[in-house]
Amino acid sequence: EAQVTQNPRYLITVTGKKLTVTCSQNMNHEYMSWYRQDPGLGLRQIYYSMNVEVTDKGDVPEGYKVSRKEKRNFPLILESPSPNQTSLYFCASSFGPVRGTARSYEQYFGPGTRLTVT
Amino acid sequence: GENVGLHLPTLSVQEGDNSIINCAYSNSASDYFIWYKQESGKGPQFIIDIRSNMDKRQGQRVTVLLNKTVKHLSLQIAATQPGDSAVYFCAGARLQAGGTSYGKLTFGQGTILTVHP
Repeated sequence: EAQVTQNPRYLITVTGKKLTVTCSQNMNHEYMSWYRQDPGLGLRQIYYSMNVEVTDKGDVPEGYKVSRKEKRNFPLILESPSPNQTSLYFCASSFGPVRGTARSYEQYFGPGTRLTVT
Repeated sequence: GENVGLHLPTLSVQEGDNSIINCAYSNSASDYFIWYKQESGKGPQFIIDIRSNMDKRQGQRVTVLLNKTVKHLSLQIAATQPGDSAVYFCAGARLQAGGTSYGKLTFGQGTILTVHP
C-alpha cells in the first residue's frame, strides 16, 4: 500500500528537549515536504526536499532542521523546541516539479503528528 | 513570497446543490495550482490541479477555474454530498525551474464546507 508514515503521532515534550519526527514514504517520490498546521493559518511549508541531499527552506523554517540522506526518509528535527512550535505537523511526498509533469504536486500526506511543547 | 488566500472561511450548502469555493493569489510566479480536501482528523488529499496555461479543468464532479487576469481560482463541486464536508485548501506552486519560488508550495487558509442533508 502506497503511504506516508510519520512517528510519533502524538508527542508532549518540554522546552529545549531535542526531538525528531520521522517521515517515510514507499512510493519512490523525489519530493518531500514538511508542513505545520495551526488554527486560522492553514498549512505552512517548513522545509522541502527536491531529492536526496537537496533541501530548501519553506515559509517558516526557523527552529527546524531536516535531512534527506535517503530517498524514502525525511526527518524533521527540533533542536530546542519552544511552546510556539506546538502545532500539528504533516509530512508529504510527491514526484515534484523535477519531472515537469501534471500532478507533480499530487502530494500524499502522512497522518500528522500532534506536538505539544510545554 | 506567494500569497494564496481565500475569500470566505465557511460555506454551508444543502445536499444536491452546487458549491463554489474561491481562492485569490498574488504572486504571478506560481504557474500551477492545486486544490486539496482535508477531512477531520486526516491529512490533506489531492483533488485536482491546473496549470497556468489553462482556464478550466474538470474532474469527477469537480471543476477548477483559473482567471489569471484577476489572479483568482475557484473550485466547483457539483451535486454536493455530505461526504464532501471538509476543509478545502488551494495551493500555489511553480513547475518551471528557476526563481525563488521553485519547489515551494504555499497554501491558502482554507474554507470549511458543510453539507446539510
